[in-house]
Amino acid sequence: GNSVTQMEGPVTLSEEAFLTINCTYTATGYPSLFWYVQYPGEGLQLLLKATKADDKGSNKGFEATYRKETTSFHLEKGSVQVSDSAVYFCALSDRNTGNQFYFGTGTSLTVIP
Amino acid sequence: ETGVTQTPRHLVMGMTNKKSLKCEQHLGHNAMYWYKQSAKKPLELMFVYNFKEQTENNSVPSRFSPECPNSSHLFLHLHTLQPEDSALYLCASSQGLAGGAQETQYFGPGTRLLVL
Repeated sequence: GNSVTQMEGPVTLSEEAFLTINCTYTATGYPSLFWYVQYPGEGLQLLLKATKADDKGSNKGFEATYRKETTSFHLEKGSVQVSDSAVYFCALSDRNTGNQFYFGTGTSLTVIP
Repeated sequence: ETGVTQTPRHLVMGMTNKKSLKCEQHLGHNAMYWYKQSAKKPLELMFVYNFKEQTENNSVPSRFSPECPNSSHLFLHLHTLQPEDSALYLCASSQGLAGGAQETQYFGPGTRLLVL
C-alpha cells in the first residue's frame, strides 16, 4: 500500500542553521510527492512538489529532490528564519489510487533567534 | 475572495447538539475533501466529492454526514458527536479526478472543533 514516513519532531534550530526533514515513502505506482506547511492557526499550504523521479521541487529557499532509488523526498533549507517556524507535512498522491493523498504525521519546526 | 474558506473557525458543542461546518472554494475546482487532523496522528481523509458525487467514505461514523450541493460548496453535518471527535477539520479542493494526473490539493484554514 501507500504510506509516508517522516522524521519525528519537534525540531528546534537557531536562525540561519541548515534544515533537513527526512521523508520516505512507499507506493504501489508512480506517485507525485509534496511538502505542505502549516503555520499556527492556519490550514495546510503547498510548499513544493515533484511529479517524477529526479525532479527537484523548490520554493522560498526550500528544496526537495524526488529520489526513486531511496524512495525519499527530504526537505532542505540552507538558512532558516524565525518565520519558517511551522509544521511540515510530506505527502504523496498516487494516480493508481484515484489521486488520494497520503500524509505523514508532520514535523514541527521551531526556529529561535 | 479567493482560495478555500471555512466557517466557523472555532466551534464548541455538546454531545447532543447538531451543527454544520461549511467550506467554500473560489478556485473553480471540481473535487472537494474533508480531512480530520488530530494531534500526533496523520491527516485522516474522511470524504471525497468529485463533480458533486461522493467517491470516498473512509469508514467514517454516521454521526458525520457530508453534503455537496454544488462544486463550490461542501458541508459537514455533525450530530451526537463524542469528545474524541474534537479535532481540526480541514477542507480541501483540487481540479478534479477526471484527468488522471496528479493534482495539488488546496486547503482551507480549518474549523477547530471541541466536543464537550
